[in-house]
This record gives sequence, structure tokens and C-alpha cells, in this order.
Amino acid sequence: NAGVTQTPKFQVLKTGQSMTLQCAQDMNHNSMYWYRQDPGMGLRLIYYSASEGTTDKGEVPNGYNVSRLNKREFSLRLESAAPSQTSVYFCASTSTGGRSPLHFGNGTRLTVT
Amino acid sequence: GESVGLHLPTLSVQEGDNSIINCAYSNSASDYFIWYKQESGKGPQFIIDIRSNMDKRQGQRVTVLLNKTVKHLSLQIAATQPGDSAVYFCAENSGGSNYKLTFGKGTLLTVNP
Repeated sequence: NAGVTQTPKFQVLKTGQSMTLQCAQDMNHNSMYWYRQDPGMGLRLIYYSASEGTTDKGEVPNGYNVSRLNKREFSLRLESAAPSQTSVYFCASTSTGGRSPLHFGNGTRLTVT
Repeated sequence: GESVGLHLPTLSVQEGDNSIINCAYSNSASDYFIWYKQESGKGPQFIIDIRSNMDKRQGQRVTVLLNKTVKHLSLQIAATQPGDSAVYFCAENSGGSNYKLTFGKGTLLTVNP
């Protein structure tokens, strides 16, 4: 049982380059989330998808876009990467949003030079 | 805005001792709380959760206590083991949205053999 799978595990980009972070869950969860984690700060919500077909902004959405491709997959896209987007990105999912535990992937470590 | 915080950023204990990690929250409307454990290089792992209609909940070697009067949450780990060394996060759902958790910055627990 894989749970939440994120790819790639590591990525280095130059400023201005674009990339898509992939996330898939095999738990038949309805809600999916993208967080970023920076040193000295808690996890901050970028975007979330309460259910298939819907997406909403979180706390720090600027510079990102998302796509809920189907119930299993939720991708995060950086159209023009900036050094401020250097971070560890975590995808998470849950069956019913807000009052049930989030299940996290192991993250993508992104460096933008 | 409302936020979740931690009293102690670091905690060092001897193997076999009990550990207590504290968390303060400021939103009296919060009705669901979670504790996560994060090991180096991995995603947060769910430990235990509690709803606001409870004061205490026990799991395997862990207990979460909720004091709504002073808006305080704690995680107790019994007979702490070296494998418990990690960063521990609390998170709350404030009830304003069904789909967003707010995370604290974390406490680093170090268990000395």
C-alpha cells in the first residue's frame, strides 16, 4: 500500500524555468492538498482540492497553479520558478477534509538558483 | 489572524523517561486537533487526533490532552525511545473552513540513550 506518492524527490531549477510536481494517492481519498515547508516555519497550505473537479487557494498560492487530474492525482505547477520557491513541498490527502488526519507523501525538495 | 504555536522549540529527554510536548492555540472556535511526527527527510506522520468534545485521548504509548479553558494541547509519550526522536507538530482546524489545517512550527524531540 503506497499511500501518497510524490515525484520527483529532488529537483534543481534555474530562475524562470517551469516544472510540475506530481502527486498520486491510492487510498480513494476525496480531498488533496499541497503544502510547502520552510526552515523555522510550519507547513503552509498552497492549494487544496476538496473533491474531484474543485480547487481552491490556500495561504500562499502566488506563483503556483494546480490541477486535479482525477480522484487519484493532484499536480502542482510552477510556471516561472523564483528563488523564494526553494522549499520542501508536501502533498497530502484525506477522506473527509478538515476533521480527519491528513496522510502525507515524503516530499519534493526543490532548489531554485 | 489565529495561529497555532508551541511553548518549547526543543526538548531533550533520557531514554525511558516520559516526554511532554506542548502546544498553544488561540482560536476558541477550533474543534479538531492533530499531532504529527516528522523524521528527517520524511513527510509528517499522523500520531493521534482529538475533537473538542473530548479532554483526553490515548493511543499506543501516546496521550493527547486538551484544555479548552486555557487553549492548550499536549502530547505525552510514555517510555520514550530513541526512535521517538523527531520533530512533532500540532495542527488545528479552526472550523472556518472544512478543508484547512493550521500547523505549528514544531518541537524537536531528542532522546538520549
